[in-house]
Amino acid sequence: GNSVTQMEGPVTLSEEAFLTINCTYTATGYPSLFWYVQYPGEGLQLLLKATKADDKGSNKGFEATYRKETTSFHLEKGSVQVSDSAVYFCALSDRGSNYKLTFGKGTLLTVNP
Amino acid sequence: KAGVTQTPRYLIKTRGQQVTLSCSPISGHRSVSWYQQTPGQGLQFLFEYFSETQRNKGNFPGRFSGRQFSNSRSEMNVSTLELGDSALYLCASSHRGPGGQETQYFGPGTRLLVL
Repeated sequence: GNSVTQMEGPVTLSEEAFLTINCTYTATGYPSLFWYVQYPGEGLQLLLKATKADDKGSNKGFEATYRKETTSFHLEKGSVQVSDSAVYFCALSDRGSNYKLTFGKGTLLTVNP
Repeated sequence: KAGVTQTPRYLIKTRGQQVTLSCSPISGHRSVSWYQQTPGQGLQFLFEYFSETQRNKGNFPGRFSGRQFSNSRSEMNVSTLELGDSALYLCASSHRGPGGQETQYFGPGTRLLVL
């Protein structure tokens, strides 16, 4: 079955630091890949997505590139802000699972001023 | 466009009771999925409805059920509540994009506490 592994948190950074959250996946087909963000007390917001190999998803300064050869979709941001403090989830969906989302366990990011 | 809405936002129930949660999808979206989020198990898929039919089902007991109406609104029901059912229940709606892939958009969730 499908699975997603993301780096264990929590991750604590100072403002303007560089962020990387690693994500690797296992899927039988050719999945679409997603990063969702969850702010305290809220639901999930779609941050970015990529639907095929070598696609780069980007939004709000965050980027992730779909790497089929390494089955990875690492999230990066060049300069984090306090407002980026949240839990980040990597997820995939594919036709084989009828497009249901399989999530990683989430990574808590705290950015200090 | 309005986003996914879920009602109620918070709910407190006691063991043995039943509960119904409601979800209104983004206009034009015909698929509605439900997920349970707990600190221990993370985000787990419950089921998905498309055009009033259950299209996909996760690995949850039969106490968890759902339905979808002709206007795509969906409800999920949990009967005979257990303490372990305390969770954030998230609803997501989606439409199928070019190439068949779907992007799911989530509501704010209903936080259920079972005492």
